[in-house]
Amino acid sequence: AQSVTQLGSHVSVSEGALVLLRCNYSSSVPPYLFWYVQYPNQGLQLLLKYTTGATLVKGINGFEAEFKKSETSFHLTKPSAHMSDAAEYFCAVGPGTASKLTFGTGTRLQVTL
Amino acid sequence: EPEVTQTPSHQVTQMGQEVILRCVPISNHLYFYWYRQILGQKVEFLVSFYNNEISEKSEIFDDQFSVERPDGSNFTLKIRSTKLEDSAMYFCASQNDALYEQYFGPGTRLTVT
Repeated sequence: AQSVTQLGSHVSVSEGALVLLRCNYSSSVPPYLFWYVQYPNQGLQLLLKYTTGATLVKGINGFEAEFKKSETSFHLTKPSAHMSDAAEYFCAVGPGTASKLTFGTGTRLQVTL
Repeated sequence: EPEVTQTPSHQVTQMGQEVILRCVPISNHLYFYWYRQILGQKVEFLVSFYNNEISEKSEIFDDQFSVERPDGSNFTLKIRSTKLEDSAMYFCASQNDALYEQYFGPGTRLTVT
């Protein structure tokens, strides 16, 4: 069984500040990990993924995430927030290859001036 | 860039009625999924479909639900007799065999009255 915990349902940062969205997972098999972003009234867009190999993965829009097996974490970061980053962010885990994703409850990111 | 499309964007139906939600996955993808998101809750897996058959389904996907790929391009989700609790956003996703990335459509908002 797999599960995802996202700490903080709402995160507010100032424009230009560091963005840190937390994700911890539980998996009985080596996990595949994903971050998706959902803008208002839109679908889910893949930001980045970790499957195997390098534990620091870079995605679109300047986001990156680091897989830390010892901490069972996959936190999402961006050095400098932009107003356009305001959205809901979902962490998800899968058991690999083609299989269902298990999502966290999401974190709404607010970016203020 | 290829994308997953879904129709309709919003459907309102009365309790007990049948609804069919339609999806056109990305053309060279082999794996297809339906997820749903009840307002304010996490995205939940419903069913996965590969090689013209269901490969996995969740507890939510009971006998009232069915999926079909009728013509090699469309992928449909049918709810035979809708309940109030079926009101949700339904997302279709498709995946290429090699990339372990699920691409989501914009969703169909189903409202059952």
